[in-house]
Amino acid sequence: DSGVTQTPKHLITATGQRVTLRCSPRSGDLSVYWYQQSLDQGLQFLIQYYNGEERAKGNILERFSAQQFPDLHSELNLSSLELGDSALYFCASSVDTGVETQYFGPGTRLLVL
Amino acid sequence: GDSVTQMEGPVTLSEEAFLTINCTYTATGYPSLFWYVQYPGEGLQLLLKATKADDKGSNKGFEATYRKETTSFHLEKGSVQVSDSAVYFCALSDAGSARQLTFGSGTQLTVLP
Repeated sequence: DSGVTQTPKHLITATGQRVTLRCSPRSGDLSVYWYQQSLDQGLQFLIQYYNGEERAKGNILERFSAQQFPDLHSELNLSSLELGDSALYFCASSVDTGVETQYFGPGTRLLVL
Repeated sequence: GDSVTQMEGPVTLSEEAFLTINCTYTATGYPSLFWYVQYPGEGLQLLLKATKADDKGSNKGFEATYRKETTSFHLEKGSVQVSDSAVYFCALSDAGSARQLTFGSGTQLTVLP
């Protein structure tokens, strides 16, 4: 158990809908990262937050957005969903000092029908 | 941009065989290098890491050496077990402030008894 929690574990929805994925980082970790794992794209970095502020963006679509709240949990919002958004979405957290190791949550499996 | 190239799988070995999974990288500066493992239905777990040239990361019998001259970080284990069956990901973390991970495509390892 990495100490990173993600909810829900599974999500099934329809095209055009909007969903919210939630992540709670390890106690004491200030940085949260979101990754997408799909069969065709592999594991890709989406976005990072540090202590409530956006720090870096990767291959994140404009339909996707995220935020980190004062209690440091983070939410990833996916809107106008398409079939191709079906994937495993991972959250990871790190202390963010020096060379930090990222600890991954169990992921949320999203299926868009 | 940064990239990681991993030996394509799947790899199937008999128990107690020697394992090598090749990983090479392209990056500016001096990245940190990681191997993550993903067991079926689970999130990613850090297996080992190395933060500078000639460092050797090791854990659970697995080893990898950071080779700057060949830009490689090959994973090795002298004697694999059935329980090592999983997907292995090589990754790098850039030297900048964001430190998001760039992953290779993953190598599926199956160890037969």
